[in-house]
Amino acid sequence: GQSLEQPSEVTAVEGAIVQINCTYQTSGFYGLSWYQQHDGGAPTFLSYNGLDGLEETGRFSSFLSRSDSYGYLLLQELQMKDSASYFCAVRDEAAGNKLTFGGGTRVLVKP
Amino acid sequence: DAGVIQSPRHEVTEMGQEVTLRCKPISGHDYLFWYRQTMMRGLELLIYFNNNVPIDDSGMPEDRFSAKMPNASFSTLKIQPSEPRDSAVYFCASSPGLGRETQYFGPGTRLLVL
Repeated sequence: GQSLEQPSEVTAVEGAIVQINCTYQTSGFYGLSWYQQHDGGAPTFLSYNGLDGLEETGRFSSFLSRSDSYGYLLLQELQMKDSASYFCAVRDEAAGNKLTFGGGTRVLVKP
Repeated sequence: DAGVIQSPRHEVTEMGQEVTLRCKPISGHDYLFWYRQTMMRGLELLIYFNNNVPIDDSGMPEDRFSAKMPNASFSTLKIQPSEPRDSAVYFCASSPGLGRETQYFGPGTRLLVL
């Protein structure tokens, strides 16, 4: 089966940088995705890493190391609107191609 | 595009009643997913369809749950009979493929079973 580990909560101030780590265990890893979910809202796609390295999208970047079964989401120049939960997710071809989500990291941005 | 549409947005029902949740995926998307989210269990995949065909329903908790996709633009998730432990937010999501894992989620249905 699959398992994903990410911190439950992170607090930071506006303008700061936050890194959310995600470690995973899968049988047939395909790629690592990140989703953002505001309270009361739906998950929205942020980024995807299929290969090792860094993917940058504006203030957000995502990194993957397949050999270490590890990835992270980097939030830069934090804004109040970044307060949300962030989920890493993996698709495991050995598990029927289902997308399995981590437990989520709640990010609280303070003034 | 209007995005994924779900109805109802909120549902309050009594234990033992039948509950039907509805979803309209984004036009042209071949994959449709039903998820359940609770504080205790997080976001769980219940079932997903490819071209209207159920591919994996191993996440469906028990026989009280059933899902159908009669055509490319409509799917239902039914709970009969409902129980208080079914209280959760149910999300429908659609995707054009399994490639880059971009799934587009609907706003969700908040279900409370009393």
